[in-house]
Amino acid sequence: QQQVKQSPQSLIVQKGGISIINCAYENTAFDYFPWYQQFPGKGPALLIAIRPDVSEKKEGRFTISFNKSAKQFSLHIMDSQPGDSATYFCAAGLTDKLIFGTGTRLQVFP
Amino acid sequence: DGGITQSPKYLFRKEGQNVTLSCEQNLNHDAMYWYRQDPGQGLRLIYYSQIVNDFQKGDIAEGYSVSREKKESFPLTVTSAQKNPTAFYLCASSIDSGVYGYTFGSGTRLTVV
Repeated sequence: QQQVKQSPQSLIVQKGGISIINCAYENTAFDYFPWYQQFPGKGPALLIAIRPDVSEKKEGRFTISFNKSAKQFSLHIMDSQPGDSATYFCAAGLTDKLIFGTGTRLQVFP
Repeated sequence: DGGITQSPKYLFRKEGQNVTLSCEQNLNHDAMYWYRQDPGQGLRLIYYSQIVNDFQKGDIAEGYSVSREKKESFPLTVTSAQKNPTAFYLCASSIDSGVYGYTFGSGTRLTVV
């Protein structure tokens, strides 16, 4: 019930392309859906987040799409750059903790 | 600069020994969390604390212990009862005991040999 399923596990994209990472959840009590970006040897950093009353949020090249009825949300990275190469985690928030997905390793090649 | 400091960055221990990982924050955040990261398994919650002298078990608390004697500090002890302790451990904090604006430390990589 509290799991967040994330796919794909790894993703290879050419520079300039669109990277898409998907997540799904079961617990309708989740009310906050952030995405975190992690570089090797570092802690994750908040990238972008959305609440369930909004279907889309865009910040620069990063967009979250949220489908409440399907209980799915996704991260789109437009014009992907080699500097975007990192591991991305989706998460879902209850009142006092975040449940994280399993992560997606994104590699962007020039 | 405000932030979370985890130390040490790398830690090696012999099997059967207890080891304590440090986590200190100067963000004046109320809540603190410990996560374990393993390849392909994401971040799994070990323990969390919303106020001083109180903490709750997460999904994988067995073999771990914590204390929260000060608001700024939330050390994690990996005991000899933890079956597979080798992992990357991440500490995080958040303001107002909520889930918004988690700030993570840079992690401690623990290797047990």
